[in-house]
Amino acid sequence: SQELEQSPQSLIVQEGKNLTINCTSSKTLYGLYWYKQKYGEGLIFLMMLQKGGEEKSHEKITAKLDEKKQQSSLHITASQPSHAGIYLCGADINGQNFVFGPGTRLSVLP
Amino acid sequence: NAGVMQNPRHLVRRRGQEARLRCSPMKGHSHVYWYRQLPEEGLKFMVYLQKENIIDESGMPKERFSAEFPKEGPSILRIQQVVRGDSAAYFCASSPPAKNIQYFGAGTRLSVL
Repeated sequence: SQELEQSPQSLIVQEGKNLTINCTSSKTLYGLYWYKQKYGEGLIFLMMLQKGGEEKSHEKITAKLDEKKQQSSLHITASQPSHAGIYLCGADINGQNFVFGPGTRLSVLP
Repeated sequence: NAGVMQNPRHLVRRRGQEARLRCSPMKGHSHVYWYRQLPEEGLKFMVYLQKENIIDESGMPKERFSAEFPKEGPSILRIQQVVRGDSAAYFCASSPPAKNIQYFGAGTRLSVL
């Protein structure tokens, strides 16, 4: 079973709509990282969260880590076609090696 | 400041040949990670190295795969006697101290014929 679960698996939204992607673990996360991957390319770092209850924003993207440090959400406001791609959460679980979620594939229709 | 450089971007090998994938970390980064991404699957951790040391190779297949990060030069992921199942995208990431933000290269796409 996956150590990190992501939902939804894929998402299609109309340009301008808001959306949320979730990342969940059954274990405490020692650092939660969000990355974006365009098809056929490498991963681009978006944000890192380390403290329970932490929230960070960059442009139209906001990421939160819950108080128990087992769930994170990524929220995009007023989505644009440039937001399309695969969003992956990654985490250092229990101080062991880094793991990634399966990814959420986002399509934004103009 | 150049990012993580991987080469080649695409590599084609016939079954039984060897594949060598290179990764040059970002300047100032002494930690390198290798991941494999199979078609329609997520990223899977393979190995974590520091200069001249393998720190964690728990994700590496026991046979045919090896990795090194010498004192001088890039990190190398070596796959001997490749099979069709080795076809995948291989990504390298680097970070300054351990357990910090990992910055990824563009990947090497290996195709085994």
